[in-house]
Parts: sequence; structure tokens; C-alpha cells
Amino acid sequence: GAVVSQHPSWVICKSGTSVKIECRSLDFQATTMFWYRQFPKQSLMLMATSNEGSKATYEQGVEKDKFLINHASLTLSTLTVTSAHPEDSSFYICSARRQGRSNQPQHFGDGTRLSIL
Amino acid sequence: GENVEQHPSTLSVQEGDSAVIKCTYSDSASNYFPWYKQELGKRPQLIIDIRSNVGEKKDQRIAVTLNKTAKHFSLHITETQPEDSAVYFCAASANQAGTALIFGKGTTLSVSS
Repeated sequence: GAVVSQHPSWVICKSGTSVKIECRSLDFQATTMFWYRQFPKQSLMLMATSNEGSKATYEQGVEKDKFLINHASLTLSTLTVTSAHPEDSSFYICSARRQGRSNQPQHFGDGTRLSIL
Repeated sequence: GENVEQHPSTLSVQEGDSAVIKCTYSDSASNYFPWYKQELGKRPQLIIDIRSNVGEKKDQRIAVTLNKTAKHFSLHITETQPEDSAVYFCAASANQAGTALIFGKGTTLSVSS
């Protein structure tokens, strides 16, 4: 079964709305989680690395004030798309790897399809 | 940072044929190379992975090879079936909990019966 839960799975909202997406590791602790964005027929592009108890690390070209990341506990990271516009419409997906273990695969959430009208 | 190139972008084969997808990476520190299969609108599913201390790994009809010196790795699918049709992504990272996967651009595999 899923070891990383992502919610909501689908959001449709008006331009200017802020949208929060949650990513939870269900049976393990993750000091680090990752947020990706995937446009139609394209690859998963790393947006940021979410670090528990500290600031997220953003990839070049990703606006930190636009995409707010909070990682307040060892099992939860949130991504808030602030003042969303149609160009922010995309598939957002998080992933995590079990803390403290090497040779473990990344576990992905089911993704959130965000549509801004 | 890491850069992963993947070829081809599309691949069409007849059922029963083999399919090969190739990737190259740039960061010599990368030591973990997974392959994912993604169906439309769903999460990527890990199908096989390989670490840099191994040159080849096989799981039934799927195999992956790694050439560390040349910084390339390949996915081989034998006896393809229509249900193998999907988008396949290669990825690379250092095998540490705090290191993100960097993905190739993907290959759309179509298997016709």
C-alpha cells in the first residue's frame, strides 16, 4: 500500500486563490521530502527540497514566495501555491525516503492535479 | 547539479519485441539509478533500480545495465506486451536520504499487438 499520502488529489479553483497541498509519510519519519511539478507530457521537475524544522531549498527558477513550503513535523510537509494563476496549473507530486536508511527507494504520493480557472 | 538525458523520447515496438531506453548522467557523485513507469495521471511506479556497485540487474523481463565510467545506464524490456505501454523515466541521485532524484525527460513506449 501507499507509504506516502498526498492530499488533495484534485483541485479546481479561481485565479488568485491560494491552495495548500499536504504530503504525509504514513509509517516512517522523513526529515526531507521533495516536491516536483509535472506539466502535461513532460518530466517531473524538482521544485524544492523540504527540510523538517528549517527552510526549504528551492531549485533555480522556482519562486519561494510563490510556492511556500512548511515541514513542521517528521511526517508532514505542505506546499502552498499562493495567489495561483492559470500558468500554475500542473500536476504536483511529493516524495520521501525513509530517514536514516540507505538503499531505500523514494516513495511518491499520488499527486495533486491543480487546475486554475 | 545533476543532469539526466534520456533517449529516445518515443519508442514503438511490436508485441514480443525488445525495447531499450538509454540515459546518461553528469554528476559522478550519483550512485543510485532507478527506473519508473508512469501511467497517465498517476504516480511514478518504481520498476527496477541499480546502484553503482553493480553493473547489471535483472527482474524477469526487465533488466538494467550501468556503465559508471561512461556515465550511462539503460533499461531493457524483453518480450514486450501491450500493458508495457506507458511513459518510462530514468532518474539519478546520490543514495542518501536528503538527496532528490533528478529525472530524464521520459520515453513514451507503445507496444502494438
